[in-house]
Amino acid sequence: DTGVSQDPRHKITKRGQNVTFRCDPISEHNRLYWYRQTLGQGPEFLTYFQNEAQLEKSRLLSDRFSAERPKGSFSTLEIQRTEQGDSAMYLCASSYQQGKAFFGQGTRLTVV
Amino acid sequence: QQQVKQSPQSLIVQKGGISIINCAYENTAFDYFPWYQQFPGKGPALLIAIRPDVSEKKEGRFTISFNKSAKQFSLHIMDSQPGDSATYFCAARARNKLVFGAGTILRVKS
Repeated sequence: DTGVSQDPRHKITKRGQNVTFRCDPISEHNRLYWYRQTLGQGPEFLTYFQNEAQLEKSRLLSDRFSAERPKGSFSTLEIQRTEQGDSAMYLCASSYQQGKAFFGQGTRLTVV
Repeated sequence: QQQVKQSPQSLIVQKGGISIINCAYENTAFDYFPWYQQFPGKGPALLIAIRPDVSEKKEGRFTISFNKSAKQFSLHIMDSQPGDSATYFCAARARNKLVFGAGTILRVKS
């Protein structure tokens, strides 16, 4: 499978715990994006990387959220001290430069 | 100004009919307008996209119509099939990020 891969697909965590999600982009894509989607809404932009550099962060990305893309390959999104409001689908997408963006299947986070 | 307004919220179409979903925007900095299809529990899949210097683009049964002066664009699905039943999102790109509409739930009745 040469598409965008996300792991895990589902995560249930207790409020206050830390969680980390992983995204493996399409191999030749240099741009990687994180979006968040809540039920009944369109995805909302969180952050994006060009290679290993994080170039833009949304105001939605509070200080409890951190994203990395070491070596410009896979990326991780960590949420510290999770809150119930963090429950959502976290989507990763990748593109080559400003080309078409392809999304992964997402990680469904449920905070209980 | 960053918003993309999408309508209708939901749509029921008979098999073989035409499904039409509309979107409007304000930000003239948007330079690329894709449509995504999403099935439950899956990520959005790119369907078709258009740039603002083109008024129409057709790929198979899917057509985007783009009206730059009105800041509106729409997706037409010809010969709609039950397998097209999904949520459709329009989006617009500005400065490297996509802004999505709220989505349209399409149901095609057989």
